[in-house]
Amino acid sequence: DTEVTQTPKHLVMGMTNKKSLKCEQHMGHRAMYWYKQKAKKPPELMFVYSYEKLSINESVPSRFSPECPNSSLLNLHLHALQPEDSALYLCASSPRTVLARGNEQFFGPGTRLTVL
Amino acid sequence: KQEVTQIPAALSVPEGENLVLNCSFTDSAIYNLQWFRQDPGKGLTSLLLIQSSQREQTSGRLNASLDKSSGRSTLYIAASQPGDSATYLCAVRSQVTKETSGSRLTFGEGTQLTVNP
Repeated sequence: DTEVTQTPKHLVMGMTNKKSLKCEQHMGHRAMYWYKQKAKKPPELMFVYSYEKLSINESVPSRFSPECPNSSLLNLHLHALQPEDSALYLCASSPRTVLARGNEQFFGPGTRLTVL
Repeated sequence: KQEVTQIPAALSVPEGENLVLNCSFTDSAIYNLQWFRQDPGKGLTSLLLIQSSQREQTSGRLNASLDKSSGRSTLYIAASQPGDSATYLCAVRSQVTKETSGSRLTFGEGTQLTVNP
């Protein structure tokens, strides 16, 4: 298995809902990432996990809560989102930890989130 | 703070043409540079990774060069095809801050390429 998978592909939620995004990789990668991408803009880093520990949090609002239950799985829990949080949420992984300088990142297909 | 710029923002060419996409970055203390392709509404596909010690990388019709000292990279696409139409993103990996040993990718805004049949 040489890919990063994300579910669901599309998600529509109200501002009072609680939902979760899921990301999975079975390549043995030790670092996993969440990015947010608005239309016609580059991805913005949200969180980085290295060996299942949160390594980088880019000052993301607490309504986004990441979780890394094991080395293959990364979740993003969503609660009380705002319409401006509507975006494409991308997950990525890289073979070595966030400390490794030569790391290459591999991205999943993304979850298109719409907040009503 | 690292800043990445891509020129041009959009490019339209006829099929078969060779083309060059440009990427520049402000801080030359990078670990590597990665070129991605993104189709509308889709994820990013990694095209080429150049480590800071390398000058170029090739994959099929793609060739990427890196001049770290001048803060520039180019992506050369030979014999372009309509299937090459996509947004091409350049990203550099550099140190997060002087106080940490982590690293992160900083992306450019991308070049939207259209190859006309």
